Amino acid sequence: GQQLNQSPQSMFIQEGEDVSMNCTSSSIFNTWLWYKQDPGEGPVLLIALYKAGELTSNGRLTAQFGITRKDSFLNISASIPSDVGIYFCAGLSSGSARQLTFGSGTQLTVLP
Amino acid sequence: GAGVSQSPSNKVTEKGKDVELRCDPISGHTALYWYRQSLGQGLEFLIYFQGNSAPDKSGLPSDRFSAERTGGSVSTLTIQRTQQEDSAVYLCASSAYGRDWSTRYTDTQYFGPGTRLTVL
Repeated sequence: GQQLNQSPQSMFIQEGEDVSMNCTSSSIFNTWLWYKQDPGEGPVLLIALYKAGELTSNGRLTAQFGITRKDSFLNISASIPSDVGIYFCAGLSSGSARQLTFGSGTQLTVLP
Repeated sequence: GAGVSQSPSNKVTEKGKDVELRCDPISGHTALYWYRQSLGQGLEFLIYFQGNSAPDKSGLPSDRFSAERTGGSVSTLTIQRTQQEDSAVYLCASSAYGRDWSTRYTDTQYFGPGTRLTVL
């Protein structure tokens, strides 16, 4: 089946630093989504990408849909303590299959 | 409601018992999805509904798992004869896919808070 490789698995950064995480796939996706999950909560949508090459921002977050449609990255600038959590990438392929394929997550810790 | 809701938020059951988990999608969303998240893991797809029918049940791990959706809205995931390996967080998501075929924005899935199932 489809595989999404997400890296890094975990990150420890100082408050105020920028952070970047990415996902790569062995197959093409038509849509990339980035979610954040806090403990005991469901994933919350951060950014949705629908077109190859698309670069989208949401406040301090920026994400890009890779031109090959096999990768995406998420950048967080000027990190703050509430950025702590697990970040997941998810891809949706074309065709009748509607389920998202998820990366394994990046655990972000922001140190004061 | 404004978002996807799920109940119960927590369920503790004994091995061998049946459980029912409920999902109430965003109003007007035609597509509904169930995922499972084991401790420290990513999300694993279980089943997808378009309206009341399930065109994709490929993720259901065994015949002990079943799901239904009625009235194009609420869905129930049933696990029969629960086993300890069924312990996980069960997440429901919905999207507008199928309501409007002209835009890819309907690909976006919105998740509920999940039901944490513990099988003793």
